[in-house]
Amino acid sequence: GAVVSQHPSWVICKSGTSVKIECRSLDFQATTMFWYRQFPKQSLMLMATSNEGSKATYEQGVEKDKFLINHASLTLSTLTVTSAHPEDSSFYICSARPREDMNTEAFFGQGTRLTVV
Amino acid sequence: AQKITQTQPGMFVQEKEAVTLDCTYDTSDPSYGLFWYKQPSSGEMIFLIYQGSYDQQNATEGRYSLNFQKARKSANLVISASQLGDSAMYFCAMREGPGNQFYFGTGTSLTVIP
Repeated sequence: GAVVSQHPSWVICKSGTSVKIECRSLDFQATTMFWYRQFPKQSLMLMATSNEGSKATYEQGVEKDKFLINHASLTLSTLTVTSAHPEDSSFYICSARPREDMNTEAFFGQGTRLTVV
Repeated sequence: AQKITQTQPGMFVQEKEAVTLDCTYDTSDPSYGLFWYKQPSSGEMIFLIYQGSYDQQNATEGRYSLNFQKARKSANLVISASQLGDSAMYFCAMREGPGNQFYFGTGTSLTVIP
């Protein structure tokens, strides 16, 4: 099946610094990628929809200046958590869908566990 | 309103028995897709099964089947012959809308007892 690679798997950073998370589709092109946030024992909350070559669409309540999304190519989207604070600590997971078929399931990356100290 | 509702926070099943995980959904879009994903403790999301809103028959994938009742807006997952490795969180999800976003339920934690 299709593979989506997310990097890094985990990261610890100091409060006030920025962290970049990469999401790559390895064997297909993805015009659309999705970024989710998941707190322990809770569901995935959609943060934003990342569209190749255009601005991301953010869900209500998500600060676009804090969570910068760049989808520069058909195989790469990045999420940058700017000026991270301890409350940003969470599990972030991306997903992508093959360009050719919009009715397939979304393929997920392995997730990134962010801890801000 | 919640788009996806999973009312069972936790479920237990004896090994080799069948178990049903409940999911109801809410949409006014005639075209939508319903998905089930498994999330083990490692965190990755593993796709299990898909049901399209226009599909006439219930989807099946190996030991997984989806009991799709469109009028009731329910899409329950049935796992037959449970195995210890089935212990995980299970999420029901719906794809809808012009952006085809996925919306997830709150999940059900399944524990398979030896």
